[in-house]
Amino acid sequence: EVQLVESGGGLVQPGRSLRLSCAASGFTFDDYAMHWVRQAPGKGLEWVSTINWNSDTIHYADSVWGRFTISRDNAKNSLYLQMNSLKPEDTAFYYCTRDTAYGDYPYWYFDLWGRGTLVTVSS
Amino acid sequence: EIVLTQSPGTLSLSLGERAALSCRASRSISINYFAWYQQKPGQAPRLLIYGASNRATGIPDRFSGSGSGTDFTLTISRLEPEDFAVYYCLYCGPSQYTFGQGTKLEIK
Repeated sequence: EVQLVESGGGLVQPGRSLRLSCAASGFTFDDYAMHWVRQAPGKGLEWVSTINWNSDTIHYADSVWGRFTISRDNAKNSLYLQMNSLKPEDTAFYYCTRDTAYGDYPYWYFDLWGRGTLVTVSS
Repeated sequence: EIVLTQSPGTLSLSLGERAALSCRASRSISINYFAWYQQKPGQAPRLLIYGASNRATGIPDRFSGSGSGTDFTLTISRLEPEDFAVYYCLYCGPSQYTFGQGTKLEIK
């Protein structure tokens, strides 16, 4: 089955760190760029970070730049998000999602999503 | 930086009515990088439309997308009970990714 499964969320104090993981299965993981998208409770979707297939190209939203680090291990079919210096405003569901920008496919969008993992930053 | 602005914020309609949701980009964008999603409470977003007008696999034909340049529209021709949800537009372009703020479609 083609799927993404996030893990690693939980309750953490402000200023502390957390590492999220996303396990991919059912497809050739290293063919695809991957993203993290988050959603604060009751709020809209916010793109967080992206990494291309071989980790050569990485981008971050301004809101997390310098604090979060995205990485991947293609041998383990896994995506990661290291979150440091966490703030209460980082409280959200974090989704792992797959990008369709691959080869000659002309349409770019996020076609596969995990169920998300909840990160709560609070003292 | 591209900003996507969705309107209205909330749309109240009855079963069987037609819904038109708008997404406006701050500058002209390629239709190839534009998509619509539906999200229900407690669920991940679900892809509805990609390339501005192409229905994703399994999406009923009452959903359609149109537009180009800066103005895009998601139309639901006859509202079914399961269509009441929040809808987001997405720009997924080279090195830039942004969502609209969402339109909540609620039962009147």
